[in-house]
Amino acid sequence: GENVEQHPSTLSVQEGDSAVIKCTYSDSASNYFPWYKQELGKRPQLIIDIRSNVGEKKDQRIAVTLNKTAKHFSLHITETQPEDSAVYFCAASSYSSASKIIFGSGTRLSIRP
Amino acid sequence: GAVVSQHPSRVICKSGTSVKIECRSLDFQATTMFWYRQFPKQSLMLMATSNEGSKATYEQGVEKDKFLINHASLTLSTLTVTSAHPEDSSFYICSARGVENTNTGELFFGEGSRLTVL
Repeated sequence: GENVEQHPSTLSVQEGDSAVIKCTYSDSASNYFPWYKQELGKRPQLIIDIRSNVGEKKDQRIAVTLNKTAKHFSLHITETQPEDSAVYFCAASSYSSASKIIFGSGTRLSIRP
Repeated sequence: GAVVSQHPSRVICKSGTSVKIECRSLDFQATTMFWYRQFPKQSLMLMATSNEGSKATYEQGVEKDKFLINHASLTLSTLTVTSAHPEDSSFYICSARGVENTNTGELFFGEGSRLTVL
């Protein structure tokens, strides 16, 4: 089955700087890669997603890149703000696995004022 | 976006009792629902996948007799933790996918239920 690895587990950046979180996946059939933000005790919130037919997607300060050949994808947050502090999860899904979404281990992002 | 409601948000029970958690899709028909378990500071671990009207498919290592899942309608799935023990204490989150999202893969999450077994 699918296995998603995520790095780093914790990340601390100065407010205004950029943050990058990287993930790799194992199932070459995976074709949907969402990123979720989760605040303490709350549900995961979808912040951006990318499908296998594109290599990059951007939404304001957030961007995601996908390298299908290498089977890795990354989340980029620019001009970080205090409210970006949270746990971020990458995930992968494929039709061959009943479209179930498998999550990475998570990255705890802290923004230093 | 689509709304998924989960109830109860918090539940405390005695060891040996059973607890039922409900997951409802409020404004769409959820053909597939997923149940996840999350330990403190850890990731979401998929427990099982349920399709309306059929038996749930459990992930390896998840006891189906311990965690009973029912998906009786297109808007409701339930997770029952039977004979709960302290090690079952966790944050349980459901997610749902509608017919229109089958090919896109997008999931909508419930608020989660924090179970504490004394």
